[in-house]
Amino acid sequence: DAGVIQSPRHEVTEMGQEVTLRCKPISGHDYLFWYRQTMMRGLELLIYFNNNVPIDDSGMPEDRFSAKMPNASFSTLKIQPSEPRDSAVYFCASSESVRRGYSNQPQHFGDGTRLSIL
Amino acid sequence: AQSVAQPEDQVNVAEGNPLTVKCTYSVSGNPYLFWYVQYPNRGLQFLLKYITGDNLVKGSYGFEAEFNKSQTSFHLKKPSALVSDSALYFCAVRENQAGTALIFGKGTTLSVSS
Repeated sequence: DAGVIQSPRHEVTEMGQEVTLRCKPISGHDYLFWYRQTMMRGLELLIYFNNNVPIDDSGMPEDRFSAKMPNASFSTLKIQPSEPRDSAVYFCASSESVRRGYSNQPQHFGDGTRLSIL
Repeated sequence: AQSVAQPEDQVNVAEGNPLTVKCTYSVSGNPYLFWYVQYPNRGLQFLLKYITGDNLVKGSYGFEAEFNKSQTSFHLKKPSALVSDSALYFCAVRENQAGTALIFGKGTTLSVSS
């Protein structure tokens, strides 16, 4: 049973370059979440989707960040242009909703993308 | 507004001893509470959750957590710690309301010595 798949696992790039992170959620899950983890700020929710539609993007730090979910099995998080302070581990997670909503369902996390901006 | 606090950055216990990782929360309504564990270079893994019902919730790997409404706490426990339990543990809370996000604590590093 495949879990959430993220690619690449590691990304090192220079400041100013465009970075694209990819996520494949668990099949059948209709919620998808993007998080960022740093030592200083811990785990931050950036944005989440329901049925491919962005529901809350209030955690997206700046306009340089954008996320899309063109279909139920794929999402991207893009940073353009990238800056050194964007260096972090980015996680994608998915969960399923049930009749009463998604609130009581656990999220399943991918293993993350470790992003380093030089 | 929702919030969750893990008052200890690190917990150290000896193998075989009981362990407790503390979590307190604040929500305006009824809470949904979760514990996750993170091993190095891995994503968070779900351990257990409290939705309703019995205050003592049992989860994966022998962990359990006790929901205490009066103290707004949801401490993670295990009767006998293993060295392999050493990891980063996150408590998370969400209100029992559609559209609310899951809020994570800062995490507590558990170190179990042999």
